[in-house]
Amino acid sequence: SQQGEEDPQALSIQEGENATMNCSYKTSINNLQWYRQNSGRGLVHLILIRSNEREKHSGRLRVTLDTSKKSSSLLITASRAADTASYFCATVLTGGGNKLTFGTGTQLKVEL
Amino acid sequence: GAVVSQHPSRVICKSGTSVKIECRSLDFQATTMFWYRQFPKKSLMLMATSNEGSKATYEQGVEKDKFLINHASLTLSTLTVTSAHPEDSSFYICSASGRGGWQETQYFGPGTRLLVL
Repeated sequence: SQQGEEDPQALSIQEGENATMNCSYKTSINNLQWYRQNSGRGLVHLILIRSNEREKHSGRLRVTLDTSKKSSSLLITASRAADTASYFCATVLTGGGNKLTFGTGTQLKVEL
Repeated sequence: GAVVSQHPSRVICKSGTSVKIECRSLDFQATTMFWYRQFPKKSLMLMATSNEGSKATYEQGVEKDKFLINHASLTLSTLTVTSAHPEDSSFYICSASGRGGWQETQYFGPGTRLLVL
């Protein structure tokens, strides 16, 4: 079964709106990371949040982590058409070295 | 920033041939490299983890004789798909992590699209 499952699977919004994606996982983690993938390309690392952190910001990105609920959210504020991509959460399990287990991904489309 | 390259970016081959994909870390020493496979509109599935100078560790269900991984130096890992068949067609992505501050984050290559006819 998937360690990380994301919802929604697909999200379509207008430019300027905020986009929120959620990620749930099953087992204890060391950290959780969010990645972005443009169609047919490699992944770009967006942000890492450790298990003892609750919230982190980077530019227009805000990530929260709730270890009691085993969930994380990624908020993109004031979205732009260029934010159109797939977004994946990935977890590093406790004792898992730095091996990443990816979620199912959310396909975000930002329309003009 | 950390840059990882892959070569080739796209390859088409005949069934039964072998294909080698290279993954290079350009500006840091990659003590660990990872190989992933991704099907269309799906997530990344880890195939194997390779540490420089040692044998790769394969994930359950991944045939090590089918997917040969070599991590001969701190900047280069190769994945060879041996006797490729159409079902091996996929998007293969590598990533690399290094020492110290480079350890937590994996830096991904741009991927290699393999089509086996």
